[in-house]
Amino acid sequence: DGGITQSPKYLFRKEGQNVTLSCEQNLNHDAMYWYRQDPGQGLRLIYYSQIVNDFQKGDIAEGYSVSREKKESFPLTVTSAQKNPTAFYLCASSLDPSSYNEQFFGPGTRLTVL
Amino acid sequence: QKEVEQDPGPLSVPEGAIVSLNCTYSNSAFQYFMWYRQYSRKGPELLMYTYSSGNKEDGRFTAQVDKSSKYISLFIRDSQPSDSATYLCGANRGGYNKLIFGAGTRLAVHP
Repeated sequence: DGGITQSPKYLFRKEGQNVTLSCEQNLNHDAMYWYRQDPGQGLRLIYYSQIVNDFQKGDIAEGYSVSREKKESFPLTVTSAQKNPTAFYLCASSLDPSSYNEQFFGPGTRLTVL
Repeated sequence: QKEVEQDPGPLSVPEGAIVSLNCTYSNSAFQYFMWYRQYSRKGPELLMYTYSSGNKEDGRFTAQVDKSSKYISLFIRDSQPSDSATYLCGANRGGYNKLIFGAGTRLAVHP
């Protein structure tokens, strides 16, 4: 089955800790994205990558970092610099970002700061 | 002003009702318009997309775009309890440009 997997489903972090969220896709998509979802705010773009070894900041990149060493993997690190990290994090991918950019989403990771 | 505005609801309707979900946008350069459905604690899934103005129908769902008024709509006919979800509208300019999402409208269809 082709798709996007995210792990873990739930993650708890103590203040001051860095945590890394995993995102893997086997759809052979070039582009991958990370979004943050908060109640009443929709999806906000954190980082995106259109090709391996290249990525760009989205609208709310502060306190986050990413890497894209392999086409199928796009991990997100939430650093201690992110002041309010409790949220639902969604990873997405798209085959061809040059057209209407249909994005396929993973099941999400819910991060809670204790 | 957000580029895509959407009333967060919640919207509660009886089973069988016609549902109208709406968004407005401010960027006249947007060409592609999408509707995603998101069930609780799940990732969004694409329902429909349209290019430029016009209507697109898929079963009980109709997407409508009016570029002159910058208005995006999704109609659901004969709504079912299984349609209860959050519906997100999205738009982009095409090319290597970001997809901009509305805040999402939470819909509840009760039996």
